[in-house]
Amino acid sequence: EPEVTQTPSHQVTQMGQEVILRCVPISNHLYFYWYRQILGQKVEFLVSFYNNEISEKSEIFDDQFSVERPDGSNFTLKIRSTKLEDSAMYFCASRGTGEQYFGPGTRLTVT
Amino acid sequence: DAKTTQPTSMDCAEGRAANLPCNHSTISGNEYVYWYRQIHSQGPQYIIHGLKNNETNEMASLIITEDRKSSTLILPHATLRDTAVYYCIVIQGGSEKLVFGKGTKLTVNP
Repeated sequence: EPEVTQTPSHQVTQMGQEVILRCVPISNHLYFYWYRQILGQKVEFLVSFYNNEISEKSEIFDDQFSVERPDGSNFTLKIRSTKLEDSAMYFCASRGTGEQYFGPGTRLTVT
Repeated sequence: DAKTTQPTSMDCAEGRAANLPCNHSTISGNEYVYWYRQIHSQGPQYIIHGLKNNETNEMASLIITEDRKSSTLILPHATLRDTAVYYCIVIQGGSEKLVFGKGTKLTVNP
């Protein structure tokens, strides 16, 4: 069964550094998403992406964040200058014509 | 999107049916009811969704009341691996984002 994959599974970075989280969506899906979950809190929507454009973003998704689909398979989330409060699980999701399917997540730890 | 209300936690014996309720009294006609679950810190997993008819798949059944103001997710024979947080989410068809609440923490006991 096709699945969304994410790398790395765990990323440790220092405050102020740039990080790129990578996702490989399900191959025939056209809609892509990033969500995050701070430890012990709800899963929060960050951004949706379709046809090489952001279609919707949340208040969390400020100028420090960007997304890109650099080729036909990868979908990335970049955080330009990480803060302590960016520490969270980051989930990528993709959708064809129906429901969203989530990846296993990347645990980002900012020290 | 309509707000949902779910119990904070529930327990179920292994092998028995788990019935998870959800209230969505402000749901509108073009909004769907989706169920996802999250096992520990894994990515949310899609379970089932419906508009107004009852639905069944290999994982679960979804019963939606006639007035669509509430629904019940049924896991017919719960196993220990079904221990998870279950989220009931109401969204418009084609909507871009899922809005997760706190969900129901289901614990399946041996």
